[in-house]
Amino acid sequence: AQKITQTQPGMFVQEKEAVTLDCTYDTSDQSYGLFWYKQPSSGEMIFLIYQGSYDEQNATEGRYSLNFQKARKSANLVISASQLGDSAMYFCAMREEAGGTSYGKLTFGQGTILTVHP
Amino acid sequence: DSGVTQTPKHLITATGQRVTLRCSPRSGDLSVYWYQQSLDQGLQFLIQYYNGEERAKGNILERFSAQQFPDLHSELNLSSLELGDSALYFCASSVEAGGVADTQYFGPGTRLTVL
Repeated sequence: AQKITQTQPGMFVQEKEAVTLDCTYDTSDQSYGLFWYKQPSSGEMIFLIYQGSYDEQNATEGRYSLNFQKARKSANLVISASQLGDSAMYFCAMREEAGGTSYGKLTFGQGTILTVHP
Repeated sequence: DSGVTQTPKHLITATGQRVTLRCSPRSGDLSVYWYQQSLDQGLQFLIQYYNGEERAKGNILERFSAQQFPDLHSELNLSSLELGDSALYFCASSVEAGGVADTQYFGPGTRLTVL
């Protein structure tokens, strides 16, 4: 079974600084995808970034990058130059990508609340 | 705006009642997923439909059912509602059934309150 662990219930960062949100995962699948989503206080879930298990380079999307360490089974999200609007809950999620009974579904971690201070 | 629409945004009902949540996927997306977000359970996958067919099932209660129609919109039916069913229900959609880089985009959610 797949499992996602986010060990930081809350994180604080100063505006314009970088912050790393931790995510570790557990799976026996060889082919899988890792995702990060942002949930502001308004409630919607916003897709941020994706990393495939066979991707050799770390994914980047604007100010977001994913520090993927396959051997350690970690997929940390790095947000550079934090902005006040980055204050939100952040979820790490995982999906099997090679077929099977869990194909398609996302398994989520418990989330990390990020607060950006001015 | 993800392009996924969900109605209604809020729903307040009583125990024992039945409600229907509706979801329209992004244009071109064939898969629809339903998730439940509650304080004690977190975000949990309920069910997936792909091009009208049920594709995968998660921790969905027998009191809950879903379907995807020919126009690809989906409905989640919740019956014999209990207080514990109060949650935020998300619909998500993706192009494929879950292959490599097949990203799920989420709707704004329906907040269900059972009194």
